[in-house]
Amino acid sequence: TQLLEQSPQFLSIQEGENLTVYCNSSSVFSSLQWYRQEPGEGPVLLVTVVTGGEVKKLKRLTFQFGDARKDSSLHITAAQTGDTGLYLCAAKAAGNKLTFGGGTRVLVKP
Amino acid sequence: DTGVSQDPRHKITKRGQNVTFRCDPISEHNRLYWYRQTLGQGPEFLTYFQNEAQLEKSRLLSDRFSAERPKGSFSTLEIQRTEQGDSAMYLCASSSGGGVTNEKLFFGSGTQLSVL
Repeated sequence: TQLLEQSPQFLSIQEGENLTVYCNSSSVFSSLQWYRQEPGEGPVLLVTVVTGGEVKKLKRLTFQFGDARKDSSLHITAAQTGDTGLYLCAAKAAGNKLTFGGGTRVLVKP
Repeated sequence: DTGVSQDPRHKITKRGQNVTFRCDPISEHNRLYWYRQTLGQGPEFLTYFQNEAQLEKSRLLSDRFSAERPKGSFSTLEIQRTEQGDSAMYLCASSSGGGVTNEKLFFGSGTQLSVL
Protein backbone atom coordinates (compact mmCIF):
# COMPACT_ATOMS: atom_id res chain seq x y z
CA THR A 1 0.00 0.00 0.00
CA GLN A 2 1.38 3.37 -1.02
CA LEU A 3 1.63 6.13 1.55
CA LEU A 4 -0.07 8.53 -0.89
CA GLU A 5 -2.85 7.28 -3.15
CA GLN A 6 -3.68 9.40 -6.16
CA SER A 7 -6.85 9.20 -8.20
CA PRO A 8 -7.74 8.87 -10.91
CA GLN A 9 -4.66 7.29 -12.47
CA PHE A 10 -5.51 8.74 -15.87
CA LEU A 11 -7.77 11.55 -17.01
CA SER A 12 -8.50 12.62 -20.56
CA ILE A 13 -10.52 15.78 -21.17
CA GLN A 14 -11.20 18.34 -23.85
CA GLU A 15 -9.62 21.77 -23.76
CA GLY A 16 -11.79 24.17 -21.78
CA GLU A 17 -13.16 21.55 -19.38
CA ASN A 18 -12.46 21.46 -15.65
CA LEU A 19 -10.80 18.61 -13.78
CA THR A 20 -9.96 17.58 -10.24
CA VAL A 21 -7.34 15.11 -9.08
CA TYR A 22 -7.03 13.73 -5.58
CA CYS A 23 -4.28 12.70 -3.20
CA ASN A 24 -5.27 10.66 -0.14
CA SER A 25 -3.53 9.09 2.81
CA SER A 26 -4.30 7.61 6.20
CA SER A 27 -1.33 9.55 7.61
CA VAL A 28 -1.24 13.14 8.80
CA PHE A 29 1.36 15.39 7.21
CA SER A 30 2.91 18.68 8.22
CA SER A 31 2.80 19.74 4.59
CA LEU A 32 2.12 18.38 1.14
CA GLN A 33 3.53 19.31 -2.24
CA TRP A 34 2.23 19.07 -5.80
CA TYR A 35 4.56 18.61 -8.78
CA ARG A 36 3.97 18.45 -12.53
CA GLN A 37 6.15 16.29 -14.72
CA GLU A 38 6.32 16.38 -18.50
CA PRO A 39 7.58 13.44 -20.58
CA GLY A 40 11.35 13.10 -20.49
CA GLU A 41 11.76 15.69 -17.75
CA GLY A 42 11.98 15.77 -13.98
CA PRO A 43 9.10 16.90 -11.75
CA VAL A 44 8.67 20.63 -11.18
CA LEU A 45 7.29 21.92 -7.90
CA LEU A 46 3.95 23.73 -8.24
CA VAL A 47 2.95 24.43 -4.65
CA THR A 48 3.40 23.52 -0.99
CA VAL A 49 0.36 23.48 1.30
CA VAL A 50 0.94 23.60 5.02
CA THR A 51 -2.19 24.49 6.99
CA GLY A 52 -5.24 22.24 7.28
CA GLY A 53 -8.02 23.65 5.09
CA GLU A 54 -5.58 25.86 3.19
CA VAL A 55 -6.46 26.84 -0.37
CA LYS A 56 -3.80 28.12 -2.75
CA LYS A 57 -4.32 29.37 -6.27
CA LEU A 58 -1.81 29.38 -9.08
CA LYS A 59 -3.51 30.97 -12.10
CA ARG A 60 -6.11 28.36 -13.19
CA LEU A 61 -4.89 25.76 -10.65
CA THR A 62 -6.47 25.57 -7.18
CA PHE A 63 -4.88 23.42 -4.49
CA GLN A 64 -6.61 22.46 -1.27
CA PHE A 65 -5.21 20.75 1.83
CA GLY A 66 -7.73 18.75 3.82
CA ASP A 67 -8.77 19.96 7.25
CA ALA A 68 -7.17 16.91 8.86
CA ARG A 69 -4.02 17.28 6.72
CA LYS A 70 -4.44 13.75 5.32
CA ASP A 71 -5.57 14.59 1.81
CA SER A 72 -5.34 17.18 -0.90
CA SER A 73 -6.90 18.06 -4.22
CA LEU A 74 -5.86 19.90 -7.33
CA HIS A 75 -8.52 21.54 -9.47
CA ILE A 76 -7.80 22.94 -12.93
CA THR A 77 -10.27 25.36 -14.44
CA ALA A 78 -10.64 25.66 -18.20
CA ALA A 79 -7.85 23.24 -18.94
CA GLN A 80 -5.43 23.99 -21.76
CA THR A 81 -3.27 21.60 -23.78
CA GLY A 82 -0.26 22.94 -21.89
CA ASP A 83 -1.68 21.43 -18.70
CA THR A 84 -1.01 17.95 -20.06
CA GLY A 85 1.38 16.06 -17.83
CA LEU A 86 1.82 13.80 -14.82
CA TYR A 87 0.63 15.40 -11.60
CA LEU A 88 2.31 14.11 -8.47
CA CYS A 89 1.63 14.76 -4.84
CA ALA A 90 4.43 14.31 -2.32
CA ALA A 91 4.95 14.52 1.41
CA LYS A 92 7.55 13.72 4.03
CA ALA A 93 6.87 10.77 6.28
CA ALA A 94 9.58 9.37 8.54
CA GLY A 95 13.01 10.85 8.10
CA ASN A 96 13.76 13.51 5.57
CA LYS A 97 12.78 11.69 2.40
CA LEU A 98 10.03 13.07 0.21
CA THR A 99 7.58 10.30 -0.74
CA PHE A 100 5.55 10.56 -3.93
CA GLY A 101 2.17 9.24 -4.89
CA GLY A 102 1.70 7.20 -8.04
CA GLY A 103 0.60 10.23 -10.02
CA THR A 104 -2.34 11.19 -12.19
CA ARG A 105 -1.67 11.39 -15.90
CA VAL A 106 -3.69 14.22 -17.44
CA LEU A 107 -4.25 14.53 -21.16
CA VAL A 108 -5.91 17.68 -22.44
CA LYS A 109 -7.05 17.30 -26.02
CA PRO A 110 -7.47 20.29 -28.35
CA ASP B 1 21.92 29.20 -11.87
CA THR B 2 21.94 26.41 -14.44
CA GLY B 3 19.71 23.96 -12.61
CA VAL B 4 20.37 20.32 -11.81
CA SER B 5 22.32 18.56 -14.53
CA GLN B 6 22.36 14.81 -15.13
CA ASP B 7 24.59 12.83 -17.43
CA PRO B 8 24.04 10.85 -19.55
CA ARG B 9 20.42 11.49 -20.54
CA HIS B 10 20.10 7.99 -21.93
CA LYS B 11 22.02 4.79 -21.31
CA ILE B 12 21.53 1.43 -22.99
CA THR B 13 23.47 -1.46 -21.54
CA LYS B 14 23.53 -5.21 -21.56
CA ARG B 15 22.53 -7.25 -18.56
CA GLY B 16 25.47 -7.83 -16.25
CA GLN B 17 27.32 -4.63 -17.15
CA ASN B 18 28.07 -1.85 -14.70
CA VAL B 19 26.79 1.67 -15.26
CA THR B 20 27.50 4.99 -13.58
CA PHE B 21 25.40 8.15 -13.64
CA ARG B 22 26.45 11.62 -12.65
CA CYS B 23 24.46 14.45 -11.09
CA ASP B 24 25.57 18.06 -10.73
CA PRO B 25 23.25 19.86 -8.30
CA ILE B 26 22.48 23.54 -8.18
CA SER B 27 25.59 25.16 -6.79
CA GLU B 28 25.61 25.59 -3.02
CA HIS B 29 22.69 23.21 -2.54
CA ASN B 30 23.75 21.03 0.36
CA ARG B 31 21.18 18.28 -0.07
CA LEU B 32 21.13 15.86 -2.97
CA TYR B 33 18.60 13.11 -3.60
CA TRP B 34 18.38 10.13 -5.96
CA TYR B 35 15.04 8.72 -7.06
CA ARG B 36 14.04 5.96 -9.48
CA GLN B 37 10.91 6.17 -11.60
CA THR B 38 9.36 3.47 -13.76
CA LEU B 39 6.83 4.16 -16.48
CA GLY B 40 3.49 5.35 -15.18
CA GLN B 41 4.62 5.50 -11.56
CA GLY B 42 5.73 8.21 -9.18
CA PRO B 43 9.41 8.57 -8.25
CA GLU B 44 10.70 6.17 -5.57
CA PHE B 45 13.26 7.43 -3.08
CA LEU B 46 16.66 5.75 -3.24
CA THR B 47 19.07 7.78 -1.11
CA TYR B 48 20.02 11.28 -0.01
CA PHE B 49 23.09 13.24 1.00
CA GLN B 50 23.60 16.19 3.28
CA ASN B 51 26.85 17.63 1.94
CA GLU B 52 29.12 14.58 1.53
CA ALA B 53 27.35 12.43 4.14
CA GLN B 54 24.90 9.80 2.93
CA LEU B 55 22.18 10.08 5.55
CA GLU B 56 19.48 7.72 4.36
CA LYS B 57 19.17 4.76 2.01
CA SER B 58 16.03 3.01 0.87
CA ARG B 59 15.56 -0.71 1.30
CA LEU B 60 15.09 -0.64 -2.47
CA LEU B 61 18.80 0.07 -2.80
CA SER B 62 20.34 -3.39 -3.10
CA ASP B 63 24.02 -4.12 -2.64
CA ARG B 64 24.48 -3.61 -6.38
CA PHE B 65 23.71 0.09 -6.00
CA SER B 66 26.15 2.57 -4.56
CA ALA B 67 26.07 6.34 -4.44
CA GLU B 68 28.76 8.83 -3.56
CA ARG B 69 29.11 12.56 -3.13
CA PRO B 70 32.82 12.83 -2.37
CA LYS B 71 33.24 16.57 -2.04
CA GLY B 72 29.70 17.57 -1.27
CA SER B 73 29.13 18.79 -4.81
CA PHE B 74 28.42 16.36 -7.66
CA SER B 75 27.21 12.84 -7.00
CA THR B 76 27.50 9.52 -8.80
CA LEU B 77 25.16 6.54 -8.73
CA GLU B 78 26.66 3.21 -9.79
CA ILE B 79 24.73 0.05 -10.55
CA GLN B 80 26.79 -3.12 -10.74
CA ARG B 81 25.78 -6.27 -12.62
CA THR B 82 22.69 -4.60 -14.08
CA GLU B 83 19.45 -6.54 -14.37
CA GLN B 84 16.49 -5.94 -16.65
CA GLY B 85 14.49 -4.83 -13.64
CA ASP B 86 16.88 -1.90 -13.22
CA SER B 87 15.47 -0.30 -16.36
CA ALA B 88 13.99 3.00 -15.23
CA MET B 89 14.46 6.75 -15.16
CA TYR B 90 16.98 7.76 -12.49
CA LEU B 91 16.27 11.23 -11.18
CA CYS B 92 18.51 13.48 -9.15
CA ALA B 93 17.25 16.43 -7.11
CA SER B 94 18.92 19.03 -4.94
CA SER B 95 17.78 21.51 -2.33
CA SER B 96 19.21 24.12 0.00
CA GLY B 97 17.68 22.28 2.93
CA GLY B 98 14.84 23.48 5.04
CA GLY B 99 12.39 21.94 7.43
CA VAL B 100 9.54 19.54 6.87
CA THR B 101 7.27 22.26 5.57
CA ASN B 102 9.48 24.39 3.41
CA GLU B 103 12.10 22.30 1.60
CA LYS B 104 11.96 22.72 -2.18
CA LEU B 105 13.43 20.04 -4.40
CA PHE B 106 14.75 20.90 -7.84
CA PHE B 107 14.96 17.92 -10.19
CA GLY B 108 17.20 17.20 -13.12
CA SER B 109 15.89 15.76 -16.38
CA GLY B 110 16.95 12.27 -15.38
CA THR B 111 18.95 9.43 -16.90
CA GLN B 112 16.85 6.87 -18.74
CA LEU B 113 18.43 3.43 -18.32
CA SER B 114 17.51 0.52 -20.55
CA VAL B 115 18.98 -2.88 -19.70
CA LEU B 116 18.77 -5.36 -22.57
